[in-house]
Amino acid sequence: EVQLLDSGGGLVQPGGSLRLSCAASGVTFSSFAMSWVRQAPGKGLEWVSSISGGGGSTYYADSVKGRFTISRDNSKNTLYLQMNTLRADDTAVYYCATPGEGNGYYYFDYWGQGTLVTVSS
Amino acid sequence: EKVMTQSPVTLSVSPGERVTLSCRASQRVSSYLAWYQQKPGQAPRLLIYGASTRATGIPARFSGSGSGTEFTLTITSLQSEDFAVYYCQQYNNWPLTFGGGTKVEIK
Repeated sequence: EVQLLDSGGGLVQPGGSLRLSCAASGVTFSSFAMSWVRQAPGKGLEWVSSISGGGGSTYYADSVKGRFTISRDNSKNTLYLQMNTLRADDTAVYYCATPGEGNGYYYFDYWGQGTLVTVSS
Repeated sequence: EKVMTQSPVTLSVSPGERVTLSCRASQRVSSYLAWYQQKPGQAPRLLIYGASTRATGIPARFSGSGSGTEFTLTITSLQSEDFAVYYCQQYNNWPLTFGGGTKVEIK
């Protein structure tokens, strides 16, 4: 069974940085395309970034391009999101998500529990 | 960017009723459309992918239809555990985009 555990959220000042992690278990991690999806308080879902199983292809929402970097360490079964130059409107619960093994389509069958990022002075 | 528009924003229904939710894409997305259910404090749950294929473990009362720009999620005989917010998402191309959601609440 696929299990995803998000971590790394917290309170950070505007302009600061934070790195989120998503640890996967029970999977052949390199076979999983992975993504980050966020949800601002009381708002809807917003796709943030995705990365292919091998890590060679990455994709970003315009709202985070140039500030956020998605990466993965397949030897550690872990996905990362490095977030720099954080703004108040980056405040959200961040979920890692995946469509599952060998699935090249970017819908999301498995989700982490979410980690809250609060950007405030 | 393909904008996904869901309607209505809120739907008040009684248990046992049939519910139809709409999702419209600003440009064609073929059948690359997924539906999710989200309850307060929980991560979203995949219901439908490929516009009409139920995800593993999803009850048969949930069904999806449509292609191109018009999509529908139907819930027959709404159960108490179905009161939630529902989102559509296109994965035809980048950027991936979600609809704003439809909240199904108890009447």
